[in-house]
Amino acid sequence: DIQMTQSPSLLSVSVGDRVTLNCKASQNIYKNLNWYQQKLGEAPKLLIYYTNNLQTGIPSRFSGSGSGTDYTLTISSLQPEDVATYYCYQYNSGWTFGGGTKLELK
Amino acid sequence: EVQLVETGGGLVQPGRSLKLSCVASGFTFSRYWMYWIRQAPGKGLEWVSSINSDGGSTYYSDSVKGRFTISRDDAENTVYLQMNSLRSEDTATYYCAKDGDYGSLYVMDAWGQGASVTVSS
Repeated sequence: DIQMTQSPSLLSVSVGDRVTLNCKASQNIYKNLNWYQQKLGEAPKLLIYYTNNLQTGIPSRFSGSGSGTDYTLTISSLQPEDVATYYCYQYNSGWTFGGGTKLELK
Repeated sequence: EVQLVETGGGLVQPGRSLKLSCVASGFTFSRYWMYWIRQAPGKGLEWVSSINSDGGSTYYSDSVKGRFTISRDDAENTVYLQMNSLRSEDTATYYCAKDGDYGSLYVMDAWGQGASVTVSS
């Protein structure tokens, strides 16, 4: 089974910060990775699919990159509404979520 | 507008059964894979089960294999999760999600609001 490890698990940020979230797979997942945002009390929402494709309606400050086993979600300038937990998810072999990265405001 | 509405959650004793339903609207249900994902209180997301568009292929996480069964009724636009031999560790909010129009990619592009399941005596 493929394991997904996200780092850090908690990140204290300020509005306007450039934020980088990391996701590492236990084996090559060939860019078959999506990113989801979950705000408190809400269902997850798709942000990025296939590593770097922005879902319709998602602000362009979100971007994704990576290959092989290492992937990144970047928020170019953090907005207050971006405070949430972010999950990566691989579907190259089975389906596996990472443990999540929670963003909190300083 | 795509909508997914989960029902059937509740409090159940260990060892008992519960069946969740997810009614879909706003899209051609029969075309899409469907998923169940759960989230234990204060924890992360865990994929539980998947079913392909014709219902002929089903997949389960190791934690539920042999106890849970996913199925679908395209006439009712509904996907089900039959949960047997429930354990305390199955306590979670259960979300259903639909696949999207992304070719061969598995992209859960819409989610329901979730159904809460508590397994306790």
